[in-house]
Amino acid sequence: NAGVMQNPRHLVRRRGQEARLRCSPMKGHSHVYWYRQLPEEGLKFMVYLQKENIIDESGMPKERFSAEFPKEGPSILRIQQVVRGDSAAYFCASSRDRNMNTEAFFGQGTRLTVV
Amino acid sequence: KNEVEQSPQNLTAQEGEFITINCSYSVGISALHWLQQHPGGGIVSLFMLSSGKKKHGRLIATINIQEKHSSLHITASHPRDSAVYICAVIRTTSGTYKYIFGTGTRLKVLA
Repeated sequence: NAGVMQNPRHLVRRRGQEARLRCSPMKGHSHVYWYRQLPEEGLKFMVYLQKENIIDESGMPKERFSAEFPKEGPSILRIQQVVRGDSAAYFCASSRDRNMNTEAFFGQGTRLTVV
Repeated sequence: KNEVEQSPQNLTAQEGEFITINCSYSVGISALHWLQQHPGGGIVSLFMLSSGKKKHGRLIATINIQEKHSSLHITASHPRDSAVYICAVIRTTSGTYKYIFGTGTRLKVLA
């Protein structure tokens, strides 16, 4: 049973390009969460998705950032027209359901560097 | 003030020492999660607890819900324990739950 898989592990983009980060949840998990970790800072919630639905995007910047979790395939976090301030580690977590006692499992993260 | 505070921020110990990392929070929570992150690495779940105490190997986690405080203890520390330890509380709002993270405790265990 593979864990949460994120790819790529490292991504370098020039300013103005688009970054697409992928997250495949654990088998049987239909809830996905994205978090951002800026250098020397703690993790911050970005968005919570269930299959085909965005449940909570209160932590996501209003512009340039979008997320989806289609019926088939991985969840995608998309950053358009990247800027240097987007350089961070982006972590995905998945859980079986939204029950408060259900543990979320984290992926290895994607480290985005904007040059 | 952060909703989740960890102390110390940085900790250096000698191999074999007993280590305690503290986490205090100011919000109502459903559960608390201790996580481990190695440099450049992913995040590994250590414990999830909502009351009492849990033990796994050399690691022990306790939580006091009334005092809004949790501790992570490492017995007989080893250099491979060097990592960032993150406390995260799980807060339930409007039927969904969110993680609120502490900024982490950076532990270095010297041989």
